[in-house]
Amino acid sequence: EDKVVQSPLSLVVHEGDTVTLNCSYEVTNFRSLLWYKQEKKAPTFLFMLTSSGIEKKSGRLSSILDKKELSSILNITATQTGDSAIYLCAVEGAALLFGKGTRLHILP
Amino acid sequence: GAVVSQHPSRVICKSGTSVKIECRSLDFQATTMFWYRQFPKKSLMLMATSNEGSKATYEQGVEKDKFLINHASLTLSTLTVTSAHPEDSSFYICSARRDGYYQPQHFGDGTRLSIL
Repeated sequence: EDKVVQSPLSLVVHEGDTVTLNCSYEVTNFRSLLWYKQEKKAPTFLFMLTSSGIEKKSGRLSSILDKKELSSILNITATQTGDSAIYLCAVEGAALLFGKGTRLHILP
Repeated sequence: GAVVSQHPSRVICKSGTSVKIECRSLDFQATTMFWYRQFPKKSLMLMATSNEGSKATYEQGVEKDKFLINHASLTLSTLTVTSAHPEDSSFYICSARRDGYYQPQHFGDGTRLSIL
């Protein structure tokens, strides 16, 4: 059965810290891995990864895919209170399968 | 950009009512749109894939007569929850994907449905 597992499930850090969120998957016919940020409403798109070893970067956020290890990480450097959210990892095979998310809380 | 608009954002209605939710891609065409349901503190669960000009594809366990999907144009899909009951109360989210390879799904803001 296909699955996407995220860790940790929740994380509390202080503003300015760097965090690393993990996502591992077992998905038939892998096409891509996506990261989304969900605050109060629906998820907003962060990154789409299709190739191993190529880092995607947007400001303080970056992500990389390891197809050999069937995993991906999302890094956030110099965290701010506005980064507090649920970060969702999703893997596209036959359909888009979501992990349970990592609830990140940044303390001021 | 890739903006997806979902309307309404919140609905409260009596048991037995049918409720229609609209999902529009505002600045791109989407042959395929998706409908998800999210329970509290749970992740998104795909309900169905909406295909422009053809029948929707429903996930196992989702009643197609209960959740009617219509994708009449390249920018609009609708989900109608027919004869809604309290157990249908949930957060419903749509997404749309630009046509082409390796395009991400972009999500609407969701509709919180409460059936009394």
